[in-house]
Amino acid sequence: EIVLTQSPATLSLSPGERATLSCRASQSVSSYLAWYQQKPGQAPRLLIYDASNRATGIPARFSGSGSGTDFTLTISSLEPEDFAVYYCQQRSNWPPAYTFGQGTKLEIK
Amino acid sequence: EVQLVESGGGLVQPGGSLRLSCAASGFTFSSYSMNWVRQAPGKGLEWVSYISSSSSTIYYADSVKGRFTISRDNAKNSLYLQMNSLRAEDTAVYYCARAGGGSPGAFDIWGQGTMVTVSS
Repeated sequence: EIVLTQSPATLSLSPGERATLSCRASQSVSSYLAWYQQKPGQAPRLLIYDASNRATGIPARFSGSGSGTDFTLTISSLEPEDFAVYYCQQRSNWPPAYTFGQGTKLEIK
Repeated sequence: EVQLVESGGGLVQPGGSLRLSCAASGFTFSSYSMNWVRQAPGKGLEWVSYISSSSSTIYYADSVKGRFTISRDNAKNSLYLQMNSLRAEDTAVYYCARAGGGSPGAFDIWGQGTMVTVSS
């Protein structure tokens, strides 16, 4: 089973700053690596799919990169509405399963 | 509007059963694979189960295998999760989620969730 480890657990930044969130897999994953944003009391929202493609309606300040075992979500200039919890997620072919990272909480400094 | 609406959550005793439903609207339900994902209070996301568009392929997380059954009715635009032998650790918000948005590996549409509490 592939384990996804996100770092840091908590990231404290100010609006306007650049955020860099990491997701590391225990073994090489396929291109099916996605990122989600979740705010309190809300369902997750898809931000990035296939490691680097922005989902429909996602602002250009969100970008994803990486391959193999190391992936990064970058928010170029933080807006007040970006403070939330972020999860990475992968799909493995065998055993067939989806796995989420434990999340990174992005909080206002 | 593309929408998923879950229902059927509630309080159940350990060892009991519950059936969750997810009603889809605004898209061609029969063309998409669907999933259940859960989130225990204050915890992260955990994938529970997957069903392909035609129900021909089904997967489960090890934590629910043998106890939960996923199914769908494309004529009714509905997804289901039958949960048996419930345990305290199954307490969570359960979301249904569509696989799509440009990749079969991502979940692009989510419902608002339904809370399941397993307690005596």
